[in-house]
Amino acid sequence: QQQVKQSPQSLIVQKGGISIINCAYENTAFDYFPWYQQFPGKGPALLIAIRPDVSEKKEGRFTISFNKSAKQFSLHIMDSQPGDSATYFCAASRMDSSYKLIFGSGTRLLVRP
Amino acid sequence: DADVTQTPRNRITKTGKRIMLECSQTKGHDRMYWYRQDPGLGLRLIYYSFDVKDINKGEISDGYSVSRQAQAKFSLSLESAIPNQTALYFCATSEGPGSNQPQHFGDGTRLSIL
Repeated sequence: QQQVKQSPQSLIVQKGGISIINCAYENTAFDYFPWYQQFPGKGPALLIAIRPDVSEKKEGRFTISFNKSAKQFSLHIMDSQPGDSATYFCAASRMDSSYKLIFGSGTRLLVRP
Repeated sequence: DADVTQTPRNRITKTGKRIMLECSQTKGHDRMYWYRQDPGLGLRLIYYSFDVKDINKGEISDGYSVSRQAQAKFSLSLESAIPNQTALYFCATSEGPGSNQPQHFGDGTRLSIL
């Protein structure tokens, strides 16, 4: 059972464009929604995260938009750069003592020069 | 030096062999995790450990076992490897408790089972 659904599987954007990756979750007990960025040959690294008490969080060119009623959240990369080319994973964590992360299936982003 | 180190980085082995993947960390974190990454499936949790005496199964623990030898070391074993265990394996650490603690990943072990 996939608890966090991510789309699209792959994305190609021109330099300077906006990259948008979407995730939907099922479990209303989730209370933490991070995005991880993974470059080839490397492990994922935390990029940005949000809690459901806010609808948007921005860090530089990266913004998370959160819609609690729709159980959806998305990552927006403004002014996309070739260096942003990577695989992005959304994730969610539950409000219990385990705090395990449930990851989406990943989106491979390619930003063309 | 990397904060989370995985060895080996690559391994090719045959069906039925016993394999151990090792993870060591210098971050001083109590919590350690093992994930496997498969194309189109994201990262799935195999086992996690909140301290040396606390080890828990994740969503796909069948066919795997772990050992937490010390706070800094967490090993994953495949007792009798099978081809569908071919994947990219990641170790991660985090401070705890709290759901907002980021997980810090190693650079992975690419495992191929023939």
